[in-house]
Amino acid sequence: NAGVTQTPKFRVLKTGQSMTLLCAQDMNHEYMYWYRQDPGMGLRLIHYSVGEGTTAKGEVPDGYNVSRLKKQNFLLGLESAAPSQTSVYFCASSESGTQETQYFGPGTRLLVL
Amino acid sequence: GQSLEQPSEVTAVEGAIVQINCTYQTSGFYGLSWYQQHDGGAPTFLSYNALDGLEETGRFSSFLSRSDSYGYLLLQELQMKDSASYFCAVRSEENYGQNFVFGPGTRLSVLP
Repeated sequence: NAGVTQTPKFRVLKTGQSMTLLCAQDMNHEYMYWYRQDPGMGLRLIHYSVGEGTTAKGEVPDGYNVSRLKKQNFLLGLESAAPSQTSVYFCASSESGTQETQYFGPGTRLLVL
Repeated sequence: GQSLEQPSEVTAVEGAIVQINCTYQTSGFYGLSWYQQHDGGAPTFLSYNALDGLEETGRFSSFLSRSDSYGYLLLQELQMKDSASYFCAVRSEENYGQNFVFGPGTRLSVLP
């Protein structure tokens, strides 16, 4: 039981490049979330999904897109990376929307030059 | 809007008790959660309060006062491994109750 895994662990991009971050969970959770964490700050919600085939915007969605084609996977895309998107990205999942316990992946460190 | 406030840093010695406060402003409050995050690691869930009062889980306790929009995390018998950042978080009614807002975090340093 791996829990929540994220790929890649670290990535360097040039401004304007695109990339996709992959999140996978093996707990059969319905709800999945993408957060970003900037140095010395809390997590901010980017997008979330309440089930396979559904996605919705969070607090800071601009510049990101997401897809949830399979229940166990939640993808975060950056179409044209900007230096302001340099951050640590965390994926999380929870059993239901009313479940307060979120299980987090190990994070992806992204540096945009 | 929504906002949470926490002290930025707290320092205590091994074996002591420390309290980390959190005040919040949010719409449609559901409950207050606490997460621990070690440097370079992922946040891990510690506790949750939906109702007023104290919840105890081993060495950690969490308290909520809904009328005061205030809560705290109490860590007892501090150990060196408790050195980490602690975040309070609320779930508000925005985004169909899926708007999780995290505080800026409190960095706890436990000294020998």
